[in-house]
Amino acid sequence: EDQVTQSPEALRLQEGESSSLNCSYTVSGLRGLFWYRQDPGKGPEFLFTLYSAGEEKEKERLKATLTKKESFLHITAPKPEDSATYLCAVTPYTGFQKLVFGTGTRLLVSP
Amino acid sequence: GAVVSQHPSRVICKSGTSVKIECRSLDFQATTMFWYRQFPKQSLMLMATSNEGSKATYEQGVEKDKFLINHASLTLSTLTVTSAHPEDSSFYICSARGAPGTGDYGYTFGSGTRLTVV
Repeated sequence: EDQVTQSPEALRLQEGESSSLNCSYTVSGLRGLFWYRQDPGKGPEFLFTLYSAGEEKEKERLKATLTKKESFLHITAPKPEDSATYLCAVTPYTGFQKLVFGTGTRLLVSP
Repeated sequence: GAVVSQHPSRVICKSGTSVKIECRSLDFQATTMFWYRQFPKQSLMLMATSNEGSKATYEQGVEKDKFLINHASLTLSTLTVTSAHPEDSSFYICSARGAPGTGDYGYTFGSGTRLTVV
């Protein structure tokens, strides 16, 4: 069964304190791994797509990396506006149109 | 950038009535749209896949007669919650695949609809 596990469930950081969020996955062949940001009461906002092990993508203070078993979302010098829930999802080869989501990491960055 | 517009953002309805939620892709054509449900502090659960011009594919455990999905055009899909009950209260989110910039299998999400059944 395709599965995505994110850790930690919640993370509190001070402004400027860098950290990483983890997304472990087991899938029957990976078509793509996605990171989304979700603010309360809003739909997920697309951040990154990763397709193969070793791939990295960056956007402002965020950097996503991918291995054969997990992905990391590194947050460098976070700001309070980075506070949100970060969701990881995968698209497996089987039923390729579907996204399988993790339960997310709730990030709170304090000034 | 690509936008998926979802309306209404909030709706309160009486038990036993029906509610329709619209999902539109504003600057791209979406042959496939998806409907999700999200409970507080939980992740998104796929309810159904909506294909333009054909019947929706529902996930196991989702009542197709309660959650009616119509995808009549390349830019519009609707979810109708029929005979709503308090347990249908939730956050419903649509998404569309294929928006520019999201990758071959990326998805763009609507802003969600908070449904409260009283």
